[in-house]
Amino acid sequence: RKEVEQDPGPFNVPEGATVAFNCTYSNSASQSFFWYRQDCRKEPKLLMSVYSSGNEDGRFTAQLNRASQYISLLIRDSKLSDSATYLCVVHRDDKIIFGKGTRLHILP
Amino acid sequence: EPEVTQTPSHQVTQMGQEVILRCVPISNHLYFYWYRQILGQKVEFLVSFYNNEISEKSEIFDDQFSVERPDGSNFTLKIRSTKLEDSAMYFCASSEMTSGYNEQFFGPGTRLTVL
Repeated sequence: RKEVEQDPGPFNVPEGATVAFNCTYSNSASQSFFWYRQDCRKEPKLLMSVYSSGNEDGRFTAQLNRASQYISLLIRDSKLSDSATYLCVVHRDDKIIFGKGTRLHILP
Repeated sequence: EPEVTQTPSHQVTQMGQEVILRCVPISNHLYFYWYRQILGQKVEFLVSFYNNEISEKSEIFDDQFSVERPDGSNFTLKIRSTKLEDSAMYFCASSEMTSGYNEQFFGPGTRLTVL
């Protein structure tokens, strides 16, 4: 089983819709969790950290469920500029494990 | 805004040659990382570096790879004898602290093509 798993998509979503991604991780010793976004042929950029209590940043909400070992990202009122690949990232000790990413296409 | 820079943006080399990929991390950052991303695949962790030594490395980071901080600003990745399968985008990243909730800032990457 892969250490970090994501649905690769693509998710094709009309502008203004709400979209949710999930990510599961296999190692219960994982310590911290992040969502990054990556545009085509560009570097990953941090979108948000994921806290146990859940956190929100504008249109984006992230949740962590340690018992079930999954992380979610919700994007509300999606914009064309949200089109990208969303990467789930898990830290364990000094090791950083990326999921393969979920591709999102926002349709006008 | 401070940023991580990488040179060159694209490196083409012959199989068996040595390459050195260069990175300048953000100046007050203490932790440095190299990742690679083969086209169409996920970002893979190679190595983390702190206090002038490797703190963690992945299975990919075998004896053909080495990292160095030759001076106060540069952080380099050397591949001793390149193979075709080393063709990938190589990203450098830096952070103020390790893990926790500290953001890693990525450079724009070096695309390595091995012929």
